[in-house]
Amino acid sequence: EADIYQTPRYLVIGTGKKITLECSQTMGHDKMYWYQQDPGMELHLIHYSYGVNSTEKGDLSSESTVSRIRTEHFPLTLESARPSHTSQYLCASSESKAALAKNIQYFGAGTRLSVL
Amino acid sequence: KNQVEQSPQSLIILEGKNCTLQCNYTVSPFSNLRWYKQDTGRGPVSLTIMTFSENTKSNGRYTATLDADTKQSSLHITASQLSDSASYICVVSDRGSTLGRLYFGRGTQLTVWP
Repeated sequence: EADIYQTPRYLVIGTGKKITLECSQTMGHDKMYWYQQDPGMELHLIHYSYGVNSTEKGDLSSESTVSRIRTEHFPLTLESARPSHTSQYLCASSESKAALAKNIQYFGAGTRLSVL
Repeated sequence: KNQVEQSPQSLIILEGKNCTLQCNYTVSPFSNLRWYKQDTGRGPVSLTIMTFSENTKSNGRYTATLDADTKQSSLHITASQLSDSASYICVVSDRGSTLGRLYFGRGTQLTVWP
C-alpha cells in the first residue's frame, strides 16, 4: 500500500469558489504529479514537480495552480471553480532514481470534484 | 503521435474464468510498459512493469507479456475472482525526457460475475 494521501475524497462546491486539493506522501519521493481523469477516459498530466520549489505544467492545459514548498506536500488550487472543472483529480509520486525504480508512480485515492 | 490503445473497452466474465486484455502502443523511444489496476473511485495500483528486454512478467494470477517488435502487450488473468472487477490500464513510458513521460490507455473495464 502506497503512503500517499489525498483530501478531501469528495467535494461538491458552487461556481466561483476557491478550493485547494491536498496531497501528501511519506515516502520521501522527489517527483510528484497531478492528473485529471474523466469517467472512462485516460489520465491526463496537468502538473508535475521534480522537487521543492520546482513546478511545471503538464500536457493538459489547466486553470489550476500548484506549489511545492515541502517535499511531502503538493497541493493543487483552483482560484475560481467552474462546472468544467468537474472531474477526478489524482496525485502521484515517484522516486528520482529512475534507473533503479523504473519511475513507478504511486497514486493516491483521488479527489472527485463536482462544481455546481 | 504517441498513443496507447486498449481492447476490449469492457469485458464481463464469470468467476473462475480466464481472460486476456490487449494493449497496442506507438510510443517511441520506448522505455517500459506497465499495467495498473484501478478500482472504482480509487487511484491506480501497479501490477507489472516490463522493459524492452523483458517479454513476460507475472504477479500472482496476473501475467503480462510484451512484444516490443510489434508494440503489443497483453495482460492475462487466471482463475478470475470477484475482486478482479476493476479498470486495467496500460501505461507506456518513453526515454525521451528525464521525466520519463507516461502515456495512458483508457483502460479495459473488467466485471467478474459470480
